[in-house]
Amino acid sequence: AQSVTQLGSHVSVSEGALVLLRCNYSSSVPPYLFWYVQYPNQGLQLLLKYTSAATLVKGINGFEAEFKKSKTSFHLTKPSAHMSDAAEYFCAVSPTDSWGKLQFGAGTQVVVTP
Amino acid sequence: DVKVTQSSRYLVKRTGEKVFLECVQDMDHENMFWYRQDPGLGLRLIYFSYDVKMKEKGDIPEGYSVSREKKERFSLILESASTNQTSMYLCASVGRETQYFGPGTRLLVL
Repeated sequence: AQSVTQLGSHVSVSEGALVLLRCNYSSSVPPYLFWYVQYPNQGLQLLLKYTSAATLVKGINGFEAEFKKSKTSFHLTKPSAHMSDAAEYFCAVSPTDSWGKLQFGAGTQVVVTP
Repeated sequence: DVKVTQSSRYLVKRTGEKVFLECVQDMDHENMFWYRQDPGLGLRLIYFSYDVKMKEKGDIPEGYSVSREKKERFSLILESASTNQTSMYLCASVGRETQYFGPGTRLLVL
């Protein structure tokens, strides 16, 4: 069975500061890994994904994430926060043999302060 | 652009009513999924389908059923709505290594 843990249900960051959202997973084999963002009253939008290619993955809106197999982590970062980054972020995993069947973390709400 | 549409953005129903949530995708995807989203719990998989007339239970199927008569449409059915089914429901369609989500239906069961 797979599981996802997002550390911190709420994160407050100053505009221009580093954004760091933590995600750890549990899986018997390296899965596919994803980060999604959800803006208020909208569906989920894919930020980036890891599918066993490069371990450093670049996504949209200046976000990137690094897959670390030894630490079973897939933390999301952005060097400089923008007010428009305020949203809820979800980390998710999918087994490689059941493509699309996602297991989500509980989510991290990001607040950006001026 | 891939489009996944859901029939309603907001829905209010009474306990015991039969509720239909419809999801339509326009990209000829074979794989479709229904999730519910609750604060502090993230998204949880209810049912999914890898083909027409095919369905499989997800992690929390109790109280729900689904229908997939056509490839583009995947319906979630609450046979007898209960207050604990008040939630946000999200449909997803899976293409080449990417899930595309609909805007969600916020269901309130009174």
